[in-house]
Amino acid sequence: DSGVTQTPKHLITATGQRVTLRCSPRSGDLSVYWYQQSLDQGLQFLIQYYNGEERAKGNILERFSAQQFPDLHSELNLSSLELGDSALYFCASSVDRQGTRGYTFGSGTRLTVV
Amino acid sequence: DAKTTQPPSMDCAEGRAANLPCNHSTISGNEYVYWYRQIHSQGPQYIIHGLKNNETNEMASLIITEDRKSSTLILPHATLRDTAVYYCIVSAPSGNTGKLIFGQGTTLQVKP
Repeated sequence: DSGVTQTPKHLITATGQRVTLRCSPRSGDLSVYWYQQSLDQGLQFLIQYYNGEERAKGNILERFSAQQFPDLHSELNLSSLELGDSALYFCASSVDRQGTRGYTFGSGTRLTVV
Repeated sequence: DAKTTQPPSMDCAEGRAANLPCNHSTISGNEYVYWYRQIHSQGPQYIIHGLKNNETNEMASLIITEDRKSSTLILPHATLRDTAVYYCIVSAPSGNTGKLIFGQGTTLQVKP
């Protein structure tokens, strides 16, 4: 157990639907990062939050949004889902804003869009 | 875009040292070298990082060349459980973000 908790572990949904992925960072960590991993794209950085504020955006689609709450957990919302959104979604956390000492990743949410 | 070059795959015999190379010829003075690994669709795992000095922890050693243009991750006694994709990443821990850009990595196969 890495200390980063992601729920649900698996999710199957239909095209056009909306889902929410949840991440609880390791205790004491203030930064949360979201990554998407599909078979043909590798690990793609989506977005980072630090202590409730957005710090960096990567290749995140406009249909996707995220937020970090006061208790530091984060949610990634995916809407108008397409088949190509099927992927593993990982959350990671770090104690500082720059991830100086490395991240801790969760075990991921496997999203299947049918 | 990833700033590193790694061989796509390597084999290593169980019990032997695994030496994984990484080229980062355009590394800047304030950029660190980070290594992560991912075992079969699990979440990536942080291994080690360094700036210019060699580093060692309970998992591995990191050797960085004097000109910092390349580095080698050493797993001293590889086991079957070390079979994974290993990612070498360079990143500057400054500014507002700690985002890491992952490349394709090296798939290490440890064989009995």
